[in-house]
Amino acid sequence: DVKVTQSSRYLVKRTGEKVFLECVQDMDHENMFWYRQDPGLGLRLIYFSYDVKMKEKGDIPEGYSVSREKKERFSLILESASTNQTSMYLCASSLLASTGELFFGEGSRLTVL
Amino acid sequence: AQSVAQPEDQVNVAEGNPLTVKCTYSVSGNPYLFWYVQYPNRGLQFLLKYITGDNLVKGSYGFEAEFNKSQTSFHLKKPSALVSDSALYFCAVRDMDGGSQGNLIFGKGTKLSVKP
Repeated sequence: DVKVTQSSRYLVKRTGEKVFLECVQDMDHENMFWYRQDPGLGLRLIYFSYDVKMKEKGDIPEGYSVSREKKERFSLILESASTNQTSMYLCASSLLASTGELFFGEGSRLTVL
Repeated sequence: AQSVAQPEDQVNVAEGNPLTVKCTYSVSGNPYLFWYVQYPNRGLQFLLKYITGDNLVKGSYGFEAEFNKSQTSFHLKKPSALVSDSALYFCAVRDMDGGSQGNLIFGKGTKLSVKP
C-alpha cells in the first residue's frame, strides 16, 4: 500500500515563526500536493509538484512556499506564520498519468498563537 | 470552471437504514469522480472512483456510487448504515485543466451521522 507520512501530527507555533511541514511518500509518485482543510471550506490546494524541483501554485499559495529536492519528499514552508494559517494541512501524492486517485497523509494540525 | 457541490452539510441516518450522500458536478468533458472519507483527526481515505464504464461503482466498506450523466450527479450510497460509518465524506472531480497534473477539486464535505 502507498504510504504518505507527515512528520508532525500536531504543532503549536507563535506568530512570526518559520514553520516547516514535511511529507514523504514511498511509492515513487511523481505528483505531490499540499492542501489546507478548514471547516465549511473543504480542501483547498496550496501548491503542487509534478517533478523534482518543479512546483506550481494552487488556489491559495499566499504566505506559503514549497520545496521538492527529492522525488519522495515535499515540504511546505510558512515563512512567517500568522494566526489565519491555523488549520489542518494535508499532503497527498499520485501517479503522474492519470485517472488515479490521490493518497493522503494523516494530516498536520497547526495552531498559530 | 469545474466544480463539485455537496448540497447537504449533514446527513443523519438510523443504523440499518440506507444512506445517500449527494454530490453534483460541473465539468467540461467527461468527468473523473471520486469519493473520500475522513474520520476525526485523520487524513482522507479513498472510497471509490468513476472513470468510465458501468454507472454503478462499488467501493470500500460496502459503499457504492451511481454516476448519472444527465443529472450531473455522483451520489454515494450504502444499503445499510453502520454507526462506524459516521464520518466526513468528500466528493471530488479531477481538474482537467492542462497545467493541473492530476489535482482534485473537492466539495465542502458532508458530515454523516449514524445513530444506533
